[in-house]
Amino acid sequence: GENVEQHPSTLSVQEGDSAVIKCTYSDSASNYFPWYKQELGKGPQLIIDIRSNVGEKKDQRIAVTLNKTAKHFSLHITETQPEDSAVYFCAVSNTGGFKTIFGAGTRLFVKA
Amino acid sequence: ETGVTQTPRHLVMGMTNKKSLKCEQHLGHNAMYWYKQSAKKPLELMFVYSLEERVENNSVPSRFSPECPNSSHLFLHLHTLQPEDSALYLCASSQAGTLGYTFGSGTRLTVV
Repeated sequence: GENVEQHPSTLSVQEGDSAVIKCTYSDSASNYFPWYKQELGKGPQLIIDIRSNVGEKKDQRIAVTLNKTAKHFSLHITETQPEDSAVYFCAVSNTGGFKTIFGAGTRLFVKA
Repeated sequence: ETGVTQTPRHLVMGMTNKKSLKCEQHLGHNAMYWYKQSAKKPLELMFVYSLEERVENNSVPSRFSPECPNSSHLFLHLHTLQPEDSALYLCASSQAGTLGYTFGSGTRLTVV
């Protein structure tokens, strides 16, 4: 079955710096790669996603890149702000099924 | 509110009790999910319902029993749980073809 690894488990950055979180997956049939942000006391919230026919996608300060050959994808947050502090999860699925596999999460701290 | 409402937010139950978790979505989605979130573990898929039919049962013990009476409501019936079942139980919904999930805020379950 699919296996998703996420690194680092904890990331601390200074406000204004960039943050990068990386994930690798094992199943080459996977074709949908979302990222979720979970704040304290809330459920995960979808913040950006990418499909396998695209190499990069941007939404304001957030971008995701995908390397299908190497089976890895990354979340990039630029100009970080204290409100970006949260746990971020990568996930992998494919359009043929209902099973989404999540990474273990990265706890991001943005220091003011 | 995300459009997915879970009740109760917190639940403490004894090992011999029977209780139910409720999830309601107001988004018109046609798939609903139960996930278990434990400390230091990835999100674990428990059950998937598509068009009110169970399509995934991820080797979950029989002390957890799901019910999906219609496309807007999902229940998780609990009986004779163990302390290791203490976790955050998250409900999510999605629309087939879009793949991204909308999560509720979860029920924090403590088994004593």
